[in-house]
Amino acid sequence: QSALTQPASVSGSPGQSITISCTGTSSDVGGYNYVSWYQQHPGKAPKLMIYEVSNRPSGVSNRFSGSKSGNTASLTISGLQAEDEADYYCSSYTSSSTLGGVFGTGTKVTVL
Amino acid sequence: QITLKESGPTLVKPTQTLTLTCTFSGFSLSTSGVGVGWIRQPPGKALEWLALIYWDDDKRYSPSLKSRLTITKDTSKNQVVLTMTNMDPVDTATYYCAHSYGGNPTLDYWGQGTLVTVSS
Repeated sequence: QSALTQPASVSGSPGQSITISCTGTSSDVGGYNYVSWYQQHPGKAPKLMIYEVSNRPSGVSNRFSGSKSGNTASLTISGLQAEDEADYYCSSYTSSSTLGGVFGTGTKVTVL
Repeated sequence: QITLKESGPTLVKPTQTLTLTCTFSGFSLSTSGVGVGWIRQPPGKALEWLALIYWDDDKRYSPSLKSRLTITKDTSKNQVVLTMTNMDPVDTATYYCAHSYGGNPTLDYWGQGTLVTVSS
C-alpha cells in the first residue's frame, strides 16, 4: 500500500486561503468517505482536524474545511493565521491493506 | 475526557524486541466500534501505520511489518501492548498510540508519543 500523495509544501500570507491536495486511488480516497486530516506542530502529536471528508470535530475552527472529488481530497484553510503553520497529513480507509488505513506523505504549511 | 499515554524503553539495541504499552482512560476497549492504533514517525518523516486492535479483538497489521508485530489488549487494565521484534536503527522513531471509533481508522485522540532510538 503506497502512501497518499500530498505536495511537500504550501505557503500563503496571513488572511489568504490555501488548499492542500491528497491524491489516492479508487481503493482508498476515491472509494470511501473515510478521509481525515491531521495537523502536527513541531514536537507535538497530530491533531484531528477533519474526519469523513468534510466534518470538523468539536473545537476545530471553521476556517478549516474538507472536500473530495474523485480520487483527490482537499483541505482548505481560509483566513490563514500564523498558528496554522504546521505539517498536515491526510489519511484514508483503504481496501488495499489488511490494516485498513493509509497516511499521506505530509505537507508543510508556511505562513509568510 | 479521553487520554492515552505511551510507555516503554527509550533505547533498544539492534535485534532486540521492543515492547510498548499504551495506557488509556476515558473510554473502554470493550465498547462496540472502538479501537486503539499504533503509529510511528521517524525523525523528519511522515506518519506510518503499524497496527490497530478493535473492541472485538480484531487485529490489523501493516503488511510490510506484519511478521514483526504483535498487538494485544488488556481491557481490565485499559492497556494496549505492541511488540516489535528484531529492531533495527531504521526503526528509530516516535511511536504514538491513538483512539479510533466507528470501526474505521480515523484517529480522534492521540497520546503524546514516545521516542525510541535503536542503537548499539
